[in-house]
Amino acid sequence: AQTVTQSQPEMSVQEAETVTLSCTYDTSESDYYLFWYKQPPSRQMILVIRQEAYKQQNATENRFSVNFQKAAKSFSLKISDSQLGDAAMYFCAYRSLISNFGNEKLTFGTGTRLTIIP
Amino acid sequence: DVKVTQSSRYLVKRTGEKVFLECVQDMDHENMFWYRQDPGLGLRLIYFSYDVKMKEKGDIPEGYSVSREKKERFSLILESASTNQTSMYLCASTPVSSNQPQHFGDGTRLSIL
Repeated sequence: AQTVTQSQPEMSVQEAETVTLSCTYDTSESDYYLFWYKQPPSRQMILVIRQEAYKQQNATENRFSVNFQKAAKSFSLKISDSQLGDAAMYFCAYRSLISNFGNEKLTFGTGTRLTIIP
Repeated sequence: DVKVTQSSRYLVKRTGEKVFLECVQDMDHENMFWYRQDPGLGLRLIYFSYDVKMKEKGDIPEGYSVSREKKERFSLILESASTNQTSMYLCASTPVSSNQPQHFGDGTRLSIL
């Protein structure tokens, strides 16, 4: 079974600064997907960024980027130019590549609560 | 736009009651999921369904059951609610496709008294 570990229960960053959230995972599969989801106080889970394990290039979405280290099984999220609206719980998640019979289920980490300091 | 709707945002029930949490998606997705979210534990999968009338246990199915009579609707049932089932419940859906992310509802915060 796969496991996902987020070792930072809470993080804080000054507005406009850069912060990195850590995530490690364990799997015996060679191909898979990794995700970062954001959950603001409104509770809506929002997809931030996605990485396919077979792609060597790190994914980027505007101010959000990942550092994907497949050999180390590490998948960190970097948020640049932090904004007040970035304050939320951030969850790292794993999904198998093979898509059939509900294999699209996600395995989540325990989350990191990010606070933005004005 | 993708829409997953959970019937209640907040729900308060009593110990021993039978509780139904409803989830509806409008995207014709084959897969639907029920997760439970607790502080310090993240989201844990309770049950999922990959087709109408099909269901599979997730990581923590004890005390729960599910029903999927129609493609768009996936119900989570607490047969006899207990206080340790007080939690946030999140429903999600996704198509049978390798690269599609899950879409989540807004969650139901359930309190069992």
